[in-house]
Amino acid sequence: DVKVTQSSRYLVKRTGEKVFLECVQDMDHENMFWYRQDPGLGLRLIYFSYDVKMKEKGDIPEGYSVSREKKERFSLILESASTNQTSMYLCASSLVPRWGSTNYGYTFGSGTRLTVV
Amino acid sequence: GQQVMQIPQYQHVQEGEDFTTYCNSSTTLSNIQWYKQRPGGHPVFLIQLVKSGEVKKQKRLTFQFGEAKKNSSLHITATQTTDVGTYFCAGNSGGSNYKLTFGKGTLLTVNP
Repeated sequence: DVKVTQSSRYLVKRTGEKVFLECVQDMDHENMFWYRQDPGLGLRLIYFSYDVKMKEKGDIPEGYSVSREKKERFSLILESASTNQTSMYLCASSLVPRWGSTNYGYTFGSGTRLTVV
Repeated sequence: GQQVMQIPQYQHVQEGEDFTTYCNSSTTLSNIQWYKQRPGGHPVFLIQLVKSGEVKKQKRLTFQFGEAKKNSSLHITATQTTDVGTYFCAGNSGGSNYKLTFGKGTLLTVNP
């Protein structure tokens, strides 16, 4: 069964800590994404990557960075965690659309609920 | 930038009643996708619509893509308690990197 795996389901960190969230997919997908999900705000894109070592900012990149050294792994880094980064973080992956392809929906991981205290 | 609006934000129904959620984009979309997130779970891809005026069905779920490719709807006939969750639409305006913009979702609760 294909999947996206996030390294931690729950995480508690202290303000100012550097936090790494890891995501691995086994579907050979080119695209990978990091979202955060907050009540009333829906899914907001932080960063995405369309190839190894390539990345683009999403809608809310401030306070975050990413790393994609291998195709299957996309890491989200909180440089100095703050309480307003307490959230559910969701990783997703997808294929790049190709002619004749009709299914390139996102596959999401189970999420990491991060609490910054 | 592109915005995707989804209404209603919440919907509570009695089991057996129908349910519809609507999605509107500020720009013309190349395609639209729908996802379901069960309480405590993660979004799961349901379907993708690509053609203007397209209608697709999955059992009791009917998905439509507007003629102008700026709006879409999801209709559930005779809801069941297993339909509980948040339904998201997500649109793509085209481009090579395939970035989706998600609506804020409609939370459906079903009273048995």
